[in-house]
Amino acid sequence: AQSVTQLGSHVSVSEGALVLLRCNYSSSVPPYLFWYVQYPNQGLQLLLKYTTGATLVKGINGFEAEFKKSETSFHLTKPSAHMSDAAEYFCAVSESFGNEKLTFGTGTRLTIIP
Amino acid sequence: DTGVSQDPRHKITKRGQNVTFRCDPISEHNRLYWYRQTLGQGPEFLTYFQNEAQLEKSRLLSDRFSAERPKGSFSTLEIQRTEQGDSAMYLCASSLQEANYGYTFGSGTRLTVV
Repeated sequence: AQSVTQLGSHVSVSEGALVLLRCNYSSSVPPYLFWYVQYPNQGLQLLLKYTTGATLVKGINGFEAEFKKSETSFHLTKPSAHMSDAAEYFCAVSESFGNEKLTFGTGTRLTIIP
Repeated sequence: DTGVSQDPRHKITKRGQNVTFRCDPISEHNRLYWYRQTLGQGPEFLTYFQNEAQLEKSRLLSDRFSAERPKGSFSTLEIQRTEQGDSAMYLCASSLQEANYGYTFGSGTRLTVV
């Protein structure tokens, strides 16, 4: 069975500061890993994904994430926070062989301090 | 490509009533998914279709829930005899057959059972 743990349900950073949102996963097979962002009253938008290949993945809006198999982690980072980054962020995992169901974490609400 | 459309955006219903939601996926996507998201939680998988075939159903999908995708195009999710615990955001997503594309989510239907 697959699972995702997001450490920190709320994270606040100052505008221009580093954003770090943590995600650890559990999967019995090589995983596919995703980060989604959700703005109020909207659906989820894909930020970036890891499937195979390069472990450092770049996404939209300046975000990136690094797959670390030894640490079972897929943390999301952005060097400089912008006010428009305020939203809820979800990490998700799916199994890479024949199972396309996504299992999501409980989310991290990111607040940007002016 | 107009994205994934869900209708209605909001639904308020009295306990015990039946409700039906509609999802129109991206036209070339042959897989369609339903997820449920309650306040403060990540989305939880309910069911998915490949074309018109319903391939997997979660244990969360009680016998009061039924989903269809006639002709492999739009999908409907019906909840019979609604309960207050059914209050949630119901999200629809679609994807191409290969899982590593990630999903495209709709904006969701928010159901409130009073």
